[in-house]
Amino acid sequence: QKEVEQDPGPLSVPEGAIVSLNCTYSNSAFQYFMWYRQYSRKGPELLMYTYSSGNKEDGRFTAQVDKSSKYISLFIRDSQPSDSATYLCAMSLSMDSNYQLIWGAGTKLIIKP
Amino acid sequence: GAVVSQHPSRVICKSGTSVKIECRSLDFQATTMFWYRQFPKQSLMLMATSNEGSKATYEQGVEKDKFLINHASLTLSTLTVTSAHPEDSSFYICSASPGGGHGRKYGYTFGSGTRLTVV
Repeated sequence: QKEVEQDPGPLSVPEGAIVSLNCTYSNSAFQYFMWYRQYSRKGPELLMYTYSSGNKEDGRFTAQVDKSSKYISLFIRDSQPSDSATYLCAMSLSMDSNYQLIWGAGTKLIIKP
Repeated sequence: GAVVSQHPSRVICKSGTSVKIECRSLDFQATTMFWYRQFPKQSLMLMATSNEGSKATYEQGVEKDKFLINHASLTLSTLTVTSAHPEDSSFYICSASPGGGHGRKYGYTFGSGTRLTVV
């Protein structure tokens, strides 16, 4: 079993829909949870970053962490074609600079105009 | 912010030659940098952890003599693919974090990646 499970998709939704992306994990010691967006042939870009459990909202994006269920989510409201990308979840025990991130497989999202 | 610059963005080389990829932290010092490899439609695969002033730590299955890592300063790490072969063609990405409070604010930042094609 992988430490972090993420459905690779692709997930195709119409423009304007609410998108829900999810990851589950097995290591209860993870404290820091991140969502990265990666466009084709580009490096990942940090989208949302959450410490421990709870919600965080930034514009059209909401990140949720449920540590009791070992489940994290990213919601995108009013989805737009420019949101089409691969979304990777990542998590870490610490944000000290020598701690590596543990990655999900990435979900390819397609927003249809 | 925390900016990581990676060069070149794209390189084509002949089989048997070596290629150097640079990763620089522009506005912070990075004692640790991470090098990833990404195959098409797959997630990031950690290759090695680069430590300033000491030897890199390689992940299982990664040939340290083929993928030479040098982290000579707090702002620069290089990955050299030696005697490259077509199977080394891939997308290579570096990452670093400022650590501490700055790291907790900005997380891990990635370079823009290097697409290597070995012909």
